[in-house]
Amino acid sequence: AQSVTQLGSHVSVSEGALVLLRCNYSSSVPPYLFWYVQYPNQGLQLLLKYTTGATLVKGINGFEAEFKKSETSFHLTKPSAHMSDAAEYFCAVSEGSTGNQFYFGTGTSLTVIP
Amino acid sequence: DTAVSQTPKYLVTQMGNDKSIKCEQNLGHDTMYWYKQDSKKFLKIMFSYNNKELIINETVPNRFSPKSPDKAHLNLHINSLELGDSAVYFCASSLSGKHEQYFGPGTRLTVT
Repeated sequence: AQSVTQLGSHVSVSEGALVLLRCNYSSSVPPYLFWYVQYPNQGLQLLLKYTTGATLVKGINGFEAEFKKSETSFHLTKPSAHMSDAAEYFCAVSEGSTGNQFYFGTGTSLTVIP
Repeated sequence: DTAVSQTPKYLVTQMGNDKSIKCEQNLGHDTMYWYKQDSKKFLKIMFSYNNKELIINETVPNRFSPKSPDKAHLNLHINSLELGDSAVYFCASSLSGKHEQYFGPGTRLTVT
């Protein structure tokens, strides 16, 4: 079975600073990787995904993530944090031909300090 | 044009009651899921249906019973509610082979 580790359950950054949220996974097969964002009292929204091809993927709201197979990582970054980025972020992995089985990390709460 | 919708959004009930949560998706997906998110934001998959067939059934009390009348709907019925059932329940859907899941807005269940 997969496992997904998100280092740092809480991350605080100043407005305008770099955002780096870490995600490591364990997988014996090439995974499909995702980042979701959850704003307060809302559902999860897909930020970006890696399936195949280019290892640097761009998502919505200026976020991007890089798949590093050698490090089994899929860290999420944004060059300049905005107040509206404050939310809970989840890394997820799916495997299998149908992709039905999703494994979520425990989430990272991002606080943006004005 | 809501993609994945859930009703109700909030549900407050007493211990021992039976309640249902409904989910509908208009994305043309063939797979639907129920997740439970606890107070620490941890997401746990409960069930998954593909083309109305149960394909994932995690270790969940048998007081929880999903039902999928068609590919676009997945309901969750909970019998004899307990305090520990208080959580946010999310419905999600996906298309086989596409991997990404789309989530509904959640149903916040509070058992008193």
